[in-house]
Amino acid sequence: AQKITQTQPGMFVQEKEAVTLDCTYDTSDPSYGLFWYKQPSSGEMIFLIYQGSYDQQNATEGRYSLNFQKARKSANLVISASQLGDSAMYFCAMREGVTGGGNKLTFGTGTQLKVEL
Amino acid sequence: DSGVTQTPKHLITATGQRVTLRCSPRSGDLSVYWYQQSLDQGLQFLIQYYNGEERAKGNILERFSAQQFPDLHSELNLSSLELGDSALYFCASSVGQGRDTEAFFGQGTRLTVV
Repeated sequence: AQKITQTQPGMFVQEKEAVTLDCTYDTSDPSYGLFWYKQPSSGEMIFLIYQGSYDQQNATEGRYSLNFQKARKSANLVISASQLGDSAMYFCAMREGVTGGGNKLTFGTGTQLKVEL
Repeated sequence: DSGVTQTPKHLITATGQRVTLRCSPRSGDLSVYWYQQSLDQGLQFLIQYYNGEERAKGNILERFSAQQFPDLHSELNLSSLELGDSALYFCASSVGQGRDTEAFFGQGTRLTVV
């Protein structure tokens, strides 16, 4: 079963506009973390923002904010004032514990964002 | 720059061969994770080490193995390589192994098997 679902394979946004990238997740663990990463065409994975399952407030990091709706199991990324440099693939990920005390990140399939002039 | 260093950046090798990918975590990070990114499988978790001990295992093939050394650097060994092993291999590190710790990724090693 898909644990992280990103339903938008591709998105377009005009420069300076805001854009929301959708992410829903599925877990029965009460303790988990949600992450967003950016992967530009050069390939590196850049950490953007984190939300803990017990956090009461939505996480924000500069132009990035995470719209966390726990009951709906959604963790949408909002990018305000889009810039050309925001064009990239964006991945939503969930960290869960595994047997033995470790943990792992499970990634969605990604959303390709293109910022246009 | 995330502070996680992976070498080499690119690797081209033939089927049947063995390669070693190296990862140096951020200073102070005890956990190291390996991920594989391929076109058909997406980003897949392979294995996690914490302070030298294996802590979590994902969809890692028996032909693949990893270890974390006392200086906390890690190596991923891939043997009997097949064309399907061609992928981008990422290492990530975090301070601890709690679920709320951020994981920072290296730039990846792009492996091409010909």
